[in-house]
Amino acid sequence: DVKVTQSSRYLVKRTGEKVFLECVQDMDHENMFWYRQDPGLGLRLIYFSYDVKMKEKGDIPEGYSVSREKKERFSLILESASTNQTSMYLCASSLLRGGYGYTFGSGTRLTVV
Amino acid sequence: KNQVEQSPQSLIILEGKNCTLQCNYTVSPFSNLRWYKQDTGRGPVSLTIMTFSENTKSNGRYTATLDADTKQSSLHITASQLSDSASYICVVSEGTYKYIFGTGTRLKVLA
Repeated sequence: DVKVTQSSRYLVKRTGEKVFLECVQDMDHENMFWYRQDPGLGLRLIYFSYDVKMKEKGDIPEGYSVSREKKERFSLILESASTNQTSMYLCASSLLRGGYGYTFGSGTRLTVV
Repeated sequence: KNQVEQSPQSLIILEGKNCTLQCNYTVSPFSNLRWYKQDTGRGPVSLTIMTFSENTKSNGRYTATLDADTKQSSLHITASQLSDSASYICVVSEGTYKYIFGTGTRLKVLA
């Protein structure tokens, strides 16, 4: 089974801090994704990457950036954390377009105080 | 506008009972539809995936149906267990990198 690992289950950061959320997958998937999940809003796509060093903005990229230096690792960066970025962050990966083999990590619950 | 709507928003049932969750979508083009189960504080886990040509798929006590003509899907849970308490999310793919998520149905199974 594909494993998508997010480095932290829970994080508490202060406003203005630079925050790194790490995601690693072990099945050589080309595509990786970062979502945030908020009550009543469902999952919203922040950024995705379809290859090393390639990235595309999703629906809500403002305040975030990403890095994909290696195929297995996709990092989400909050340049200057704000309280409205308190959320559940989910990483996912897939081998092919269209959702086949699309697997989520366990999530990181980020609180910005 | 591409949308996925799920109903009900929340549901409470007694252990051992059956239930059905609904998903209506307006996504076009359509590639496939997935149902995920998400336990509180965890990432979603895939239950089923169906393409345009499939109208029923089962995974243990979970059975998903798809009517591509009416753009409706349902997830039927048979003989519910306490461990079924979770959110169930319907996700539709256009066949590109874009996935359209429903906001989920929160199911609570009581003893």
